[in-house]
Amino acid sequence: DAKTTQPPSMDCAEGRAANLPCNHSTISGNEYVYWYRQIHSQGPQYIIHGLKNNETNEMASLIITEDRKSSTLILPHATLRDTAVYYCIVRVLSGSARQLTFGSGTQLTVLP
Amino acid sequence: DGGITQSPKYLFRKEGQNVTLSCEQNLNHDAMYWYRQDPGQGLRLIYYSQIVNDFQKGDIAEGYSVSREKKESFPLTVTSAQKNPTAFYLCASSDIQGRSNQPQHFGDGTRLSIL
Repeated sequence: DAKTTQPPSMDCAEGRAANLPCNHSTISGNEYVYWYRQIHSQGPQYIIHGLKNNETNEMASLIITEDRKSSTLILPHATLRDTAVYYCIVRVLSGSARQLTFGSGTQLTVLP
Repeated sequence: DGGITQSPKYLFRKEGQNVTLSCEQNLNHDAMYWYRQDPGQGLRLIYYSQIVNDFQKGDIAEGYSVSREKKESFPLTVTSAQKNPTAFYLCASSDIQGRSNQPQHFGDGTRLSIL
């Protein structure tokens, strides 16, 4: 799986959009971009994933650049409960069970 | 609600004792996984299973054992051979047949400590 690079920490004001970047310059054509978050002392929570088109669900939007070398997770209206470590993971499409490799992620702190 | 249930939330182990962590899912997922997370670090895979009665070792299987007798259950035993068992243990599951890009879903973890 391709390596990802994320800033170690970010702050965001409550109610504003949080834009979390991820660099995956070595991504290959069959690798998906996944985002998870982990609130302290809880299990990771799946947020969204995509291949090359932008994706949106009830939690967030995922913007993938045209060359697929980077992506941005957008939380449109951040709340205090969005404070967590956010992980960007690149993973190949596979017909078998494969582990997720979590890097160090971005600690997002939403400020009141 | 569908999901993954891990129990207990906190567990204490005495020296030389085996302990078993429970993981149950009602998502009808084929694959189940056990990860270990140490403070400030990412997840490391202990064992995984793609189908009932079959499982494979992950990166750090030594000192651990698993069973998969039912599709919905994947218990993890931390044996006395695991010399540094203090960690946060996470169970996950995913659907793999025909929709292999589907995400893994996680339980809320079990925190194991040594007495």
